[in-house]
Amino acid sequence: GENVEQHPSTLSVQEGDSAVIKCTYSDSASNYFPWYKQELGKRPQLIIDIRSNVGEKKDQRIAVTLNKTAKHFSLHITETQPEDSAVYFCAARKANNNDMRFGAGTRLTVKP
Amino acid sequence: DAGVIQSPRHEVTEMGQEVTLRCKPISGHNSLFWYRQTMMRGLELLIYFNNNVPIDDSGMPEDRFSAKMPNASFSTLKIQPSEPRDSAVYFCASSFLGGGGYTFGSGTRLTVV
Repeated sequence: GENVEQHPSTLSVQEGDSAVIKCTYSDSASNYFPWYKQELGKRPQLIIDIRSNVGEKKDQRIAVTLNKTAKHFSLHITETQPEDSAVYFCAARKANNNDMRFGAGTRLTVKP
Repeated sequence: DAGVIQSPRHEVTEMGQEVTLRCKPISGHNSLFWYRQTMMRGLELLIYFNNNVPIDDSGMPEDRFSAKMPNASFSTLKIQPSEPRDSAVYFCASSFLGGGGYTFGSGTRLTVV
């Protein structure tokens, strides 16, 4: 089955700096890669996603990149703010399979 | 839409007792997923349904766990008998079959003492 590796497990940055979280997946048939943000005590919420026919997608301060050949994808947050502090999860899903496998999560702390 | 609705939000029970967690997916979504979240193991997929039919239950840890989806708007996850190691946050999520990301419910925090 699909195996998603995520790193780093923790990341601390100064407010205004950029943060990058990286994930790799094992199954070349995976074609959908979402990112979720989970604040303490709350549910994971979808913040951005990318499909395998696209190499990059941006939404304001958040961007995702995908390298299908290397089977890795990354989340980039620019101009970080304290409210970006949360646990971020990457995930991967195959085209003909509806279940999604999540990475272990990255705890991001943005210091004011 | 009210989103994915889970109940109860918190459950504290004694070891050996039966626990039933409930989920109402978003209307129109035809895939439903049960996840368990712990510090040690992260987000684990337990089981998922497409059009009310269980597709993959390989993540269900033991026979003590069972899940049903009697109709498109309701699912249950049952643990009988419960054990302290079952303590976790259980999330239900729903989506359109084969499309887009999941919407998670608020979760049920289960504590088995």
